[in-house]
Amino acid sequence: ETGVTQTPRHLVMGMTNKKSLKCEQHLGHNAMYWYKQSAKKPLELMFVYNFKEQTENNSVPSRFSPECPNSSHLFLHLHTLQPEDSALYLCASSQESGRVGTGELFFGEGSRLTVL
Amino acid sequence: EDQVTQSPEALRLQEGESSSLNCSYTVSGLRGLFWYRQDPGKGPEFLFTLYSAGEEKEKERLKATLTKKESFLHITAPKPEDSATYLCAVDNYGQNFVFGPGTRLSVLP
Repeated sequence: ETGVTQTPRHLVMGMTNKKSLKCEQHLGHNAMYWYKQSAKKPLELMFVYNFKEQTENNSVPSRFSPECPNSSHLFLHLHTLQPEDSALYLCASSQESGRVGTGELFFGEGSRLTVL
Repeated sequence: EDQVTQSPEALRLQEGESSSLNCSYTVSGLRGLFWYRQDPGKGPEFLFTLYSAGEEKEKERLKATLTKKESFLHITAPKPEDSATYLCAVDNYGQNFVFGPGTRLSVLP
């Protein structure tokens, strides 16, 4: 139990569907992240939120839309995805992002997404 | 461009056979280097943070060391439960961490 909970754990969707991934952290952290993990590739940062404000958008296609209503919750809204978007999507949190903070990321168990 | 590489890509050890994993980095500035362990189908789990050359951290059968250009994760007398993918990441004073591709470790009984 890492203190970061992701739902759903598995998701299969068609290219025309709209779905959302949810992340909740119980660690009192101020920063939350979405990472994409594809087979045999390093973790790719997608979005960073620091105190609910988006501070990083790593050139992610607009078919991925993040939402951070408060410091404990993070969503990733998905629409009109492509098969190459199939991957493990990981949520993480940390005390703070950027130049101040402990630097330790706490990850959830991930949401395995398959796009047909 | 900041880069992190890890070697070997995969490593198979017999139980009790000690070895080391390598993480090499090229970054404009290093605030910290992190090691994570990732089990199949799960998110990475934090292991160590190293901040300066010469620093060492230990946890059970694992010891992490840091030089100015690389870090090693030494595994002493590994057990099958140490089988996992080990990820290295660097904090380059930026807004995010740069991750390496990982080393997939298998320890056979």
